[in-house]
Amino acid sequence: DGGITQSPKYLFRKEGQNVTLSCEQNLNHDAMYWYRQDPGQGLRLIYYSQIVNDFQKGDIAEGYSVSREKKESFPLTVTSAQKNPTAFYLCASRLTRDTEAFFGQGTRLTVV
Amino acid sequence: DQQVKQNSPSLSVQEGRISILNCDYTNSMFDYFLWYKKYPAEGPTFLISISSIKDKNEDGRFTVFLNKSAKHLSLHIVPSQPGDSAVYFCAASGWGGGSNYKLTFGKGTLLTVNP
Repeated sequence: DGGITQSPKYLFRKEGQNVTLSCEQNLNHDAMYWYRQDPGQGLRLIYYSQIVNDFQKGDIAEGYSVSREKKESFPLTVTSAQKNPTAFYLCASRLTRDTEAFFGQGTRLTVV
Repeated sequence: DQQVKQNSPSLSVQEGRISILNCDYTNSMFDYFLWYKKYPAEGPTFLISISSIKDKNEDGRFTVFLNKSAKHLSLHIVPSQPGDSAVYFCAASGWGGGSNYKLTFGKGTLLTVNP
């Protein structure tokens, strides 16, 4: 059963702590993405990766870091440098640049 | 610098009528466009896409039109059903700087279909 899985669905952290969000896909897709959704802001691109061991900053990369050591996995770390980390985070993957992207179910991160 | 714009935050239509959602883009290097539907606290689901070599693509009740000269695309839903009520996102792919794999979304339009 192919798909893209984000875990956990809900995550709570104290201010000042780093936190890593998981994203795994078994669709054999080369490209993977991380987006953030805030009310009224749509989906804003944080980082994306076209291929293993390569990734590019999106539009709001400050305070975030990623790695792409395996084709199936693209974890996102929200660091303490991110000023407003509370948000809904979405991971996506796609096969090529002219095919649709498939999304995970999202992780709601709350920093208190 | 918002490269994909959905200027209508919301749209309300009657069941059975046509829904038209609009999207404008500024980057002339975009060459692949997509529409997604999203419910709260869920991931977006893909609806339909169009390549810049076409000006129209249909899939059942959904049709996307692309006007490259105006840098404008629209999604038509006919007939609209109450289950279509959701937020609709327009997205574009192409050379957005650094990579042609970058996928940029608009802010979305909340569609409400009234019974």
